[in-house]
Amino acid sequence: QKEVEQNSGPLSVPEGAIASLNCTYSDRVSQSFFWYRQYSGKSPELIMSIYSNGDKEDGRFTAQLNKASQYVSLLIRDSQPSDSATYLCAVSTNAGKSTFGDGTTLTVKP
Amino acid sequence: GAGVSQTPSNKVTEKGKYVELRCDPISGHTALYWYRQSLGQGPEFLIYFQGTGAADDSGLPNDRFFAVRPEGSVSTLKIQRTERGDSAVYLCASSLAGGANNSPLHFGNGTRLTVT
Repeated sequence: QKEVEQNSGPLSVPEGAIASLNCTYSDRVSQSFFWYRQYSGKSPELIMSIYSNGDKEDGRFTAQLNKASQYVSLLIRDSQPSDSATYLCAVSTNAGKSTFGDGTTLTVKP
Repeated sequence: GAGVSQTPSNKVTEKGKYVELRCDPISGHTALYWYRQSLGQGPEFLIYFQGTGAADDSGLPNDRFFAVRPEGSVSTLKIQRTERGDSAVYLCASSLAGGANNSPLHFGNGTRLTVT
């Protein structure tokens, strides 16, 4: 079992819809949770960080964390074609390193 | 301001050769990370520096891989006796601090290593 699991997709949604991306993790002492976006041929860039249970909203993006269920998600509202990318979930403990999932590929169709 | 800089952007080498990959982190970032990424996979952790010392090198696959950060800024990843399986994109990232409540990672553009 991988430490960080994501559905590989591809996930396809129409423009304007809500895209829902999910991630589960195995290490119960994980404390920091991140979503990165990676365009094809580019490096990952941070979208959201979340450290405590509940929801965190930033513009069209909402991250949700449930430590009891070891689950973190990312919602993208009003999806745009420019949101088409691979979304990487990353989890870290206070030991320092971040562990990444293999990503979910999202396609937003005009 | 300047982001994380990695050189070279591309490196093609023959099997058995030695390569060095360089990373210049964001100024003031004390934590520096090396990852490698193969097609269709997420970044795979290799090593993490806090200042000059390697805080966690548990991801280095074998003793052909070595990394240094002698002055707590620029880091070099060194791969000896390269193998075709070492071909990947090597990503460097830096953050303000490691440890609890980790700061997010800021990635460089990566070095694409191809071993022929």
